[in-house]
Amino acid sequence: AQSVTQLGSHVSVSEGALVLLRCNYSSSVPPYLFWYVQYPNQGLQLLLKYTSAATLVKGINGFEAEFKKSETSFHLTKPSAHMSDAAEYFCAVSDNFQGAQKLVFGQGTRLTINP
Amino acid sequence: KAGVTQTPRYLIKTRGQQVTLSCSPISGHRSVSWYQQTPGQGLQFLFEYFSETQRNKGNFPGRFSGRQFSNSRSEMNVSTLELGDSALYLCASRGGTTDTQYFGPGTRLTVL
Repeated sequence: AQSVTQLGSHVSVSEGALVLLRCNYSSSVPPYLFWYVQYPNQGLQLLLKYTSAATLVKGINGFEAEFKKSETSFHLTKPSAHMSDAAEYFCAVSDNFQGAQKLVFGQGTRLTINP
Repeated sequence: KAGVTQTPRYLIKTRGQQVTLSCSPISGHRSVSWYQQTPGQGLQFLFEYFSETQRNKGNFPGRFSGRQFSNSRSEMNVSTLELGDSALYLCASRGGTTDTQYFGPGTRLTVL
């Protein structure tokens, strides 16, 4: 069975500092990996995805993530945090079996930005 | 292109009642998935529909059911509501060759 572990349920950084959100996955097949962001009272918005192309994936709002198979990791980074980045971030893994797709999410990391 | 829409956005029910939630996918998308989000259990997959057929199901009791119509709109039904069913229910659509699920704003269900 697939699973995702997000290290740190809360991360706090200063505005302008590096953002690093950690995600480790478990999958018996080549995974599809996603990062989603959720703002208060909203649904999930896709930040970026890995689907076996380039291992360094660039997403929206300056975020990027690197797929490391040897470490089973897919950590999310942003060089310089902005106040608007404050939100909850979810890492997810899925397999696509005969077209069907089920996302398995981590528990989420709440990112706080300090002025 | 309009995004995924869910109605209603908020719902209050009492234990024992049943509820129906609606989801309209992005135009042209034929796959609709449902997820439950709670503070304790996080985001959990309920089921996926494609071309009016359920092709994937999560570990939820039979009280949770769904269906999809020929226009790809989907409904989710929960019968005999329990307090623990209070959650944000998210719908996501996927289409064509994309591997990406696009989420709606969710329906917040409160069971009293």
